Amino acid sequence: DTGVSQDPRHKITKRGQNVTFRCDPISEHNRLYWYRQTLGQGPEFLTYFQNEAQLEKSRLLSDRFSAERPKGSFSTLEIQRTEQGDSAMYLCASSPGRLGYYGELFFGEGSRLTVL
Amino acid sequence: TQLLEQSPQFLSIQEGENLTVYCNSSSVFSSLQWYRQEPGEGPVLLVTVVTGGEVKKLKRLTFQFGDARKDSSLHITAAQPGDTGLYLCAGARGNTPLVFGKGTRLSVIA
Repeated sequence: DTGVSQDPRHKITKRGQNVTFRCDPISEHNRLYWYRQTLGQGPEFLTYFQNEAQLEKSRLLSDRFSAERPKGSFSTLEIQRTEQGDSAMYLCASSPGRLGYYGELFFGEGSRLTVL
Repeated sequence: TQLLEQSPQFLSIQEGENLTVYCNSSSVFSSLQWYRQEPGEGPVLLVTVVTGGEVKKLKRLTFQFGDARKDSSLHITAAQPGDTGLYLCAGARGNTPLVFGKGTRLSVIA
């Protein structure tokens, strides 16, 4: 399977714990995005990378959140000191990011976080 | 303030009926995309529209981009239970990340 893969698919944690999600994009895609989706909402942008450079971060990304993309391949999203309001589906997407490509995103299946 | 407004929020119809869902904005987009999302899965791209007034067809689905590139519609003919899902529109403006609407949740009852 050459699509975007995310791990874990589901994570249940207690408030205050740290969690880390991993995303492996489509191999030839140089852009990688993280979105968050809560019940009844569309995906909300968190951050994105062009290769290993983190180019933009949303105001939704508090200082408890950090994302990395070492070597421009896979990415990790870490949430420290989780709160119940962090419960959501965390979606990773990739795109080629080349000229003439209209920003279409290829999403993974998501990592669902439940904070108790 | 939601940049992209989708309506209706929920829609429940019988198999075989036709339906139209809408995506509206006060902003101009360079392109607009439609995705479908099933429970527990990530969104899957259906179509991208780029030119104002453009119409694209994907089997029983017809997508239209408004002349001013601020709105779009999705029309489904003879809906089937397999069409059930969350339909999301997303707008692109230059190099900024895609902005999504809240979606229309469609349920097609056999």
